[in-house]
Amino acid sequence: KQEVTQIPAALSVPEGENLVLNCSFTDSAIYNLQWFRQDPGKGLTSLLLIQSSQREQTSGRLNASLDKSSGRSTLYIAASQPGDSATYLCAVRHLPLPISGGYNKLIFGAGTRLAVHP
Amino acid sequence: SAVISQKPSRDICQRGTSLTIQCQVDSQVTMMFWYRQQPGQSLTLIATANQGSEATYESGFVIDKFPISRPNLTFSTLTVSNMSPEDSSIYLCSVVGPYTGELFFGEGSRLTVL
Repeated sequence: KQEVTQIPAALSVPEGENLVLNCSFTDSAIYNLQWFRQDPGKGLTSLLLIQSSQREQTSGRLNASLDKSSGRSTLYIAASQPGDSATYLCAVRHLPLPISGGYNKLIFGAGTRLAVHP
Repeated sequence: SAVISQKPSRDICQRGTSLTIQCQVDSQVTMMFWYRQQPGQSLTLIATANQGSEATYESGFVIDKFPISRPNLTFSTLTVSNMSPEDSSIYLCSVVGPYTGELFFGEGSRLTVL
């Protein structure tokens, strides 16, 4: 059974710091891994999607890496800003079902709650 | 990416009543997903809704409690029936984008049951 763990659970940093959020998963047979941002009481915003064949993806100040063999992904945030304060969730999706070819659900981590203070 | 609209964005309901949440997508999608996020928790999949067939429910969720409709390729509803305070959660609708398998979410419906 796939389990997704995110460390740390909470993080507080001063503005301008570079920081790394960690995500680990127990079953390396994944289809892709996705990082999301969630503001309090709101829905999820997709940040980065990494396919199983990829090593990293970048978007602006965000860089996500994937090491499938070791079951790890990191989200790197450069030059953090107060507006980055949110909960960051990672989720993994397994390979499509072989018979039906259908979608396999995402398994979410519990998230890292980030606070960036001025 | 897909633009997903949910209604209501939030509601306060009385115990024993039912509430229907609507999800509208700006493009046609095969599968729509309903998630629940209880306070302080991560997301749990309730069910997968395919157009033209009954929804597929995850373990721990049943149709009588969470009936789902999927009348066309851009719309779905989730009803939370006979609510209790334990149903207080954020309910989220999501879809898979084409080609990449990226998952997109609506803004969520925050439900408080008194």
